[in-house]
Amino acid sequence: DADVTQTPRNRITKTGKRIMLECSQTKGHDRMYWYRQDPGLGLRLIYYSFDVKDINKGEISDGYSVSRQAQAKFSLSLESAIPNQTALYFCATSDRRSTEAFFGQGTRLTVV
Amino acid sequence: QQQVKQSPQSLIVQKGGISIINCAYENTAFDYFPWYQQFPGKGPALLIAIRPDVSEKKEGRFTISFNKSAKQFSLHIMDSQPGDSATYFCAASRGGSSNTGKLIFGQGTTLQVKP
Repeated sequence: DADVTQTPRNRITKTGKRIMLECSQTKGHDRMYWYRQDPGLGLRLIYYSFDVKDINKGEISDGYSVSRQAQAKFSLSLESAIPNQTALYFCATSDRRSTEAFFGQGTRLTVV
Repeated sequence: QQQVKQSPQSLIVQKGGISIINCAYENTAFDYFPWYQQFPGKGPALLIAIRPDVSEKKEGRFTISFNKSAKQFSLHIMDSQPGDSATYFCAASRGGSSNTGKLIFGQGTTLQVKP
């Protein structure tokens, strides 16, 4: 089983719909992150969380919200999806004592 | 504003050749420079990383060269193999007491190694 699991793996949704992407981890890490990957832009940080009560905006948080339901679960929501949010989304975790990030397999989101 | 700039965007190398990917950064507060490897349908995975107190780090066929004064670092893949075909991302972050785990990524390089 993957240490960082994302669901769904693929999703097509319509403009204006609310959608939630979920991430769970079994690594026991306290830190969790959501990144967005676009061709030619690399990965950009959307939100990050150091623990359940500590959530922070990243580089491109507009149009997104997150929820840290437990140490192991971190969800990303698009309140009203728009086509330019079509991208590959990655959840990642890390331990506070390390700089290495562990990524899930990604969610490919298409907004039509 | 791209704080970490990566080139080339794509690279084709013959099997056995050397693949070289370059990155440049702006923020002198960065002190941790990893390279991530991503295969299709997978998430990025740490390949090799370096801190600015050394100018080179080698792990098997993979070497990072680091030039602190120029604010540049590069990945060299020696004896490139078809199995190395993937997308490579350089990144930068702040470690030590300022470690937030936040990574600033380059744009990515798609490497194809031809048999």
